[in-house]
Amino acid sequence: EVQLLESGGGLVQPGGSLRLSCATSGLTFSNFAMAWVRQAPGKGLEWVSSISPNGDTYYADSVRGRLTVSRDNSKHTLYLQMNSLRADDTAIYYCAKDPYDYVDSYFDYWGQGTLVTVSS
Amino acid sequence: SYELTQPLSVSVALGQTAKITCGGDNIGSRNVHWYQHRPGQAPVLVIYRDRNRPSGIPERFSGSNSGNTAALTISRAQAGDEADYYCQVWDYNSGVFGTGTKVTVL
Repeated sequence: EVQLLESGGGLVQPGGSLRLSCATSGLTFSNFAMAWVRQAPGKGLEWVSSISPNGDTYYADSVRGRLTVSRDNSKHTLYLQMNSLRADDTAIYYCAKDPYDYVDSYFDYWGQGTLVTVSS
Repeated sequence: SYELTQPLSVSVALGQTAKITCGGDNIGSRNVHWYQHRPGQAPVLVIYRDRNRPSGIPERFSGSNSGNTAALTISRAQAGDEADYYCQVWDYNSGVFGTGTKVTVL
């Protein structure tokens, strides 16, 4: 059974940093592209970033230059380094798996999400 | 940037059919995917590549895509179908989600 488990969320001040992790099991992690999707309070789903198995990265304009996606295939884990955080980054962050080794598709498995709150 | 427009809400009587639309410029030329999202839970893929159902998704869920509109149809609606639904496409290496539709089963 494929499982995705996010961690690392919490309360951080504007301008601060946070690192999210997504531990995976039940899949050959190195074979699949992965993504981060977020949902701000009262808002819809927003794609944040994707990464291919070999490390090619893609970002939404709203986060490019501040958020960095990475992966450790040996640890079956996806990461999101979040710097220069702003109030509008407040959201539940979901880890999601692509069904293929390229990013241009859909998300067949999702984690339960981790809440990031940016506030002073 | 590419935009996907959905109705804010759709209501359907128990056992009847709900149709959720997703509008976008020439969306018929793209692959459209649909997700169900219940509050406090992980989103669930219900339709991929316009009309394909993942294993475990009931046949009551179906999809279509042509011209400037894609659609998700829920037949014989059940109370458990109450959720937010989102369409999704890719546009020049960027994921794009629709604005989301809240489905209420009466």
